[in-house]
Amino acid sequence: NAGVTQTPKFRVLKTGQSMTLLCAQDMNHEYMYWYRQDPGMGLRLIHYSVGEGTTAKGEVPDGYNVSRLKKQNFLLGLESAAPSQTSVYFCASTEWGGKSSYNEQFFGPGTRLTVL
Amino acid sequence: AQSVTQPDIHITVSEGASLELRCNYSYGATPYLFWYVQSPGQGLQLLLKYFSGDTLVQGIKGFEAEFKRSQSSFNLRKPSVHWSDAAEYFCAVARRYSTLTFGKGTMLLVSP
Repeated sequence: NAGVTQTPKFRVLKTGQSMTLLCAQDMNHEYMYWYRQDPGMGLRLIHYSVGEGTTAKGEVPDGYNVSRLKKQNFLLGLESAAPSQTSVYFCASTEWGGKSSYNEQFFGPGTRLTVL
Repeated sequence: AQSVTQPDIHITVSEGASLELRCNYSYGATPYLFWYVQSPGQGLQLLLKYFSGDTLVQGIKGFEAEFKRSQSSFNLRKPSVHWSDAAEYFCAVARRYSTLTFGKGTMLLVSP
């Protein structure tokens, strides 16, 4: 049981390049999330998904796209990377509990992305 | 809008001394509150959570937190800090679909 895993762990991009971050969970969780962490800013929600085939915008969605084609995977894409997207990206997941539930989230180890 | 405030960016505590990290929230309904810890270069680990009931919540690693509705606070405490507790601590409030709004974090430094 690996929990939540993220690929890659580190990446350096040039401005304008594209890339996809992969998040995978083996806990059969319904909900998945992408956050970015910047110094002094805490974690901010980029996008989330409440089930396979669904996605929703979070607090800071601009410049990112996501897809949830399989229940266990949640992909975060940067179509044209900018230096402002230099950050540490965390994926998390939690079990379904209905829209009124507030379950704890389980986090991956993070991906450190640098955009030059 | 919901928000979480952690007033202290850094706190330094001597090893063996007691610790209290402050967290204030702004939330219209009954809050569901969490404390997470992040060691350098690591992901986040849940310390404890408050959903309802007893306002004093026990967590892992000897931490506890007290929910005070009248003060809109959910402060984290530990009676005796160990050097391994040095990390960044995040308070968070849960919203619909279990999305989290985080505070900006408090970095705990432990001096010998």
